[in-house]
Amino acid sequence: DQQVKQNSPSLSVQEGRISILNCDYTNSMFDYFLWYKKYPAEGPTFLISISSIKDKNEDGRFTVFLNKSAKHLSLHIVPSQPGDSAVYFCAARATTSGTYKYIFGTGTRLKVLA
Amino acid sequence: SQTIHQWPATLVQPVGSPLSLECTVEGTSNPNLYWYRQAAGRGLQLLFYSIGIDQISSEVPQNLSASRPQDRQFILSSKKLLLSDSGFYLCAWSGTGTGIYEQYFGPGTRLTVT
Repeated sequence: DQQVKQNSPSLSVQEGRISILNCDYTNSMFDYFLWYKKYPAEGPTFLISISSIKDKNEDGRFTVFLNKSAKHLSLHIVPSQPGDSAVYFCAARATTSGTYKYIFGTGTRLKVLA
Repeated sequence: SQTIHQWPATLVQPVGSPLSLECTVEGTSNPNLYWYRQAAGRGLQLLFYSIGIDQISSEVPQNLSASRPQDRQFILSSKKLLLSDSGFYLCAWSGTGTGIYEQYFGPGTRLTVT
């Protein structure tokens, strides 16, 4: 049972344009959502996050939008750069008795074309 | 600042051999610790998480086990490796205090079972 889904396995975007990566979830108890960027043979690096009580968080070129009613979040990268080419994972945090569990999607491979 | 270490970086083991992967965290105390596996072309699967010494929760039944003998040390083990244990293993930590949300990953171990 995949609680966090990234339905697009890959995405190609021209340099300078907007990249939009999508993520859907099923558990309404998730309290925090995060995006990670991963290069091959490396650990994921944290990019940006959003609390479940907010609908938008912005950090430089990266903006995350959360639509709780649709159980959907998206990551916007503007403008896209070739160095942004990587696999992007969305993750959701569940808190149970003070313990945090992070559930990850399957990732979207972004390719930014120069 | 906090640092997370994993070793070895790569490992090739024959089927039926034992496994021990180690993860240590510096610069924080009483972290939540996690083991994930990324199989080829797949997302991040949570294997184990720990909220304290000798407190381990398993997410999926499998051929692996985890132990936390010290506050900042997390070990992933197997008595007899299977071919299906091949993958990229990631250790991660998260804080437990209020306002701490992100999860941080180590560099990973590439395990190939032959």
